[in-house]
Amino acid sequence: AQKVTQAQTEISVVEKEDVTLDCVYETRDTTYYLFWYKQPPSGELVFLIRRNSFDEQNEISGRYSWNFQKSTSSFNFTITASQVVDSAVYFCALTLYNQGGKLIFGQGTELSVKP
Amino acid sequence: DAGVTQSPTHLIKTRGQHVTLRCSPISGHKSVSWYQQVLGQGPQFIFQYYEKEERGRGNFPDRFSARQFPNYSSELNVNALLLGDSALYLCASSLGSGAGTEAFFGQGTRLTVV
Repeated sequence: AQKVTQAQTEISVVEKEDVTLDCVYETRDTTYYLFWYKQPPSGELVFLIRRNSFDEQNEISGRYSWNFQKSTSSFNFTITASQVVDSAVYFCALTLYNQGGKLIFGQGTELSVKP
Repeated sequence: DAGVTQSPTHLIKTRGQHVTLRCSPISGHKSVSWYQQVLGQGPQFIFQYYEKEERGRGNFPDRFSARQFPNYSSELNVNALLLGDSALYLCASSLGSGAGTEAFFGQGTRLTVV
């Protein structure tokens, strides 16, 4: 069975601190995609990044960076110099190649950035 | 450009009643998916429709049904509501139905069953 685990339920940091959100996934499939979504209080899920299982290159986008390691089945997300606007719930998700658009989400990590 | 729109935004229903939730995808998107998000948990996949055909179904009872119309909008229907159906229902649209296709989410319909 496929599963996504986000062990950190809540994280609280002070503005300008760096913070890493952990994501561990389980699947026996060799072709899959991993995602990160941000959910602000308004409710909609905002797409942040997509990675396929054959691309282990780390990625940086502004203050955001992602570390994908197949050896540990992890896809961690780091925010550098956090800001109050980063406060939200962040979800890691998995989709299998043969399951179309079905996203399997983790439980989410609620990030609170205090001024 | 308009994003994914869902209606209504909030809804209160009584146990045993029926509810219909509506979703309009982004223009040009042919796939719509529905998710249920119970408070404090991640979204759970309910259905995916592409070109008016069901492409996937999650582990939900038959009380849940959906359809997609020729204009690609979609409805999610839930019969015989239970207290446990209280949740945020999210609709997502995407260009295609394949894995890895970026999904764009609406703001959801918050359903409360009393």
